[in-house]
Amino acid sequence: EVQLVESGGGLVQPGGSLRLSCEDSGFTFSSHWMNWVRQAPGKGLEWVANIKEDGSKKNYVDSVKGRFTISRDNAKNSLFLQMNSLRAEDTAVYYCATGGWYGVDWGQGTLVTVSS
Amino acid sequence: EIVLTQSPGTLSLSPGERATLSCRASQSISNNYLVWYQQKPGQAPRLLIYDASSRATGIPDRFSGTGSGTDFTLTISRLEPEDFAVYYCQQYGNSLPYTFGQGTKLEIK
Repeated sequence: EVQLVESGGGLVQPGGSLRLSCEDSGFTFSSHWMNWVRQAPGKGLEWVANIKEDGSKKNYVDSVKGRFTISRDNAKNSLFLQMNSLRAEDTAVYYCATGGWYGVDWGQGTLVTVSS
Repeated sequence: EIVLTQSPGTLSLSPGERATLSCRASQSISNNYLVWYQQKPGQAPRLLIYDASSRATGIPDRFSGTGSGTDFTLTISRLEPEDFAVYYCQQYGNSLPYTFGQGTKLEIK
């Protein structure tokens, strides 16, 4: 069974950095593409990035290209999102989810607030 | 980028009634690669339907998805109290990014 737990969210100033983590306590992490999806307060869902099972392919939404980096450590069943040059519009709950094209199993999310 | 428009924005119905939610795409979605999610307040989305019409594991058969090309529909045949939530469609059939609709809120009348 897939169980995803995100961590690393918090309050950060504009221009700052934050690294999100997502740990899968199941046993099939290395066999899944993984996604990050975000949801601004009171708003809809936005796909942010995904990464292939072996980390060899990564995709990003245009608004985060050059600022965010998705990565994974299959030995630790963990997914990461390094977020640099953060902006107010990056404020959102960030979810990790299994799946290459859409989210099958989801974590509970971690809140990132970008504010001075 | 494909834009998905969901309608109505809010749907007010009573338990036992039938709900019909629409998702319209700005261009044809290849292979009907569209999913539906349910999201309740304070919770993560839950996958309901993939490939436009296939129910995800554990999803009751009162949920069904239909459609092709640019027009897709999620139908809940008889509403249960736990079905009142926000529903999102998402496409994954064309070039990136994978885009979501803005959501339909299904509320108790």
